[in-house]
Amino acid sequence: GAVVSQHPSWVICKSGTSVKIECRSLDFQATTMFWYRQFPKQSLMLMATSNEGSKATYEQGVEKDKFLINHASLTLSTLTVTSAHPEDSSFYICSARKGVGTDTQYFGPGTRLTVL
Amino acid sequence: AQKVTQAQTEISVVEKEDVTLDCVYETRDTTYYLFWYKQPPSGELVFLIRRNSFDEQNEISGRYSWNFQKSTSSFNFTITASQVVDSAVYFCALTPLSGGYQKVTFGTGTKLQVIP
Repeated sequence: GAVVSQHPSWVICKSGTSVKIECRSLDFQATTMFWYRQFPKQSLMLMATSNEGSKATYEQGVEKDKFLINHASLTLSTLTVTSAHPEDSSFYICSARKGVGTDTQYFGPGTRLTVL
Repeated sequence: AQKVTQAQTEISVVEKEDVTLDCVYETRDTTYYLFWYKQPPSGELVFLIRRNSFDEQNEISGRYSWNFQKSTSSFNFTITASQVVDSAVYFCALTPLSGGYQKVTFGTGTKLQVIP
């Protein structure tokens, strides 16, 4: 199998606070994990690519100081939304790739973030 | 640069009807992977199929079938005898095979509603 989990599944926070989202590959080691953002009725937008033990690669237009990504092990990557604001409210989805190079990405169930 | 177009924003069919979801892509790469993912209302993306650009054979998996035509840059997805559980948003995606890190480009998705 290829199961990816995310925690929490939903979170509501006050503006100005930071929120951490965890992404875990449960039954495989993921050399690379990806973080996506999805607005309602829209497609997935890649935010960053995270390789274990190295700095994440952010897509153009994504603020690296606002969206902190840490890939501490082959099974865990975290996304921290710092000083969250209402415009950060979105559905955040992570995915993990089993092998190196181009391989199928398996997606987590997503985290719905609402910033009040 | 890659581009994936899913021209059908929403489709409604009555249960047991067949339905085809269109996907047209653009890429300068000669080798690439094409994917279809299903996103039910729960939000989690479910991997359905990966197709290598080398292989133009059509594929059938139960009620699902895929028609890959490199000449027209299309990778269409047909559901036969649709069921209510097929109601979801379906995403077509592409990633090049050449080079090192290559991100997945998603289409905008097609929302399928199967009416009982």
